[in-house]
Amino acid sequence: GAGVSQSPSNKVTEKGKDVELRCDPISGHTALYWYRQSLGQGLEFLIYFQGNSAPDKSGLPSDRFSAERTGGSVSTLTIQRTQQEDSAVYLCASSLQASPNTGELFFGEGSRLTVL
Amino acid sequence: AQRVTQPEKLLSVFKGAPVELKCNYSYSGSPELFWYVQYSRQRLQLLLRHISRESIKGFTADLNKGETSFHLKKPFAQEEDSAMYYCALVQGAQKLVFGQGTRLTINP
Repeated sequence: GAGVSQSPSNKVTEKGKDVELRCDPISGHTALYWYRQSLGQGLEFLIYFQGNSAPDKSGLPSDRFSAERTGGSVSTLTIQRTQQEDSAVYLCASSLQASPNTGELFFGEGSRLTVL
Repeated sequence: AQRVTQPEKLLSVFKGAPVELKCNYSYSGSPELFWYVQYSRQRLQLLLRHISRESIKGFTADLNKGETSFHLKKPFAQEEDSAMYYCALVQGAQKLVFGQGTRLTINP
């Protein structure tokens, strides 16, 4: 595909359930980012990957959140035991360059998560 | 802490009027700053970066180190400028930190 692809586009789940959100970056992009977009909070950084390693996990809100990246490509963000405050749009972005100040971030359309 | 502040959540102006979206930052050193935009039902995308000193879609942004600001300006607003605008700062050379965003509405 031409752009960053995220799935599912919409997910409704019950409180306490686990969810997995997938991101397929642009081919060849080494850097991958996860952000959370919610009303009143703006864009909140969650985690950053360079290749398969995550040098910066500082934004993950709690130990219920985890992410991995395999083959330097697809990434999965997992939220365990979801809570209502996890409801948000989860955005993935990729970049050709390791550092965002040299490379533009390309965003996916996001996965909208609703926790009932 | 290094962060970006956008003091206005909502901004509404009339078509043809000047627009200024405010962005203030806190950073020790030489900041790398960007403006990203999200139009209705579209992906978040880069609008401009301060290092390029470019004008995109009539928008410009000047880095003012004395006031620690990077305000986005356009002399004459157009209806198609209605969107969500985010100011962003490179933190630690590895990640982009965004402000809370400003929703700009251009009234006809």
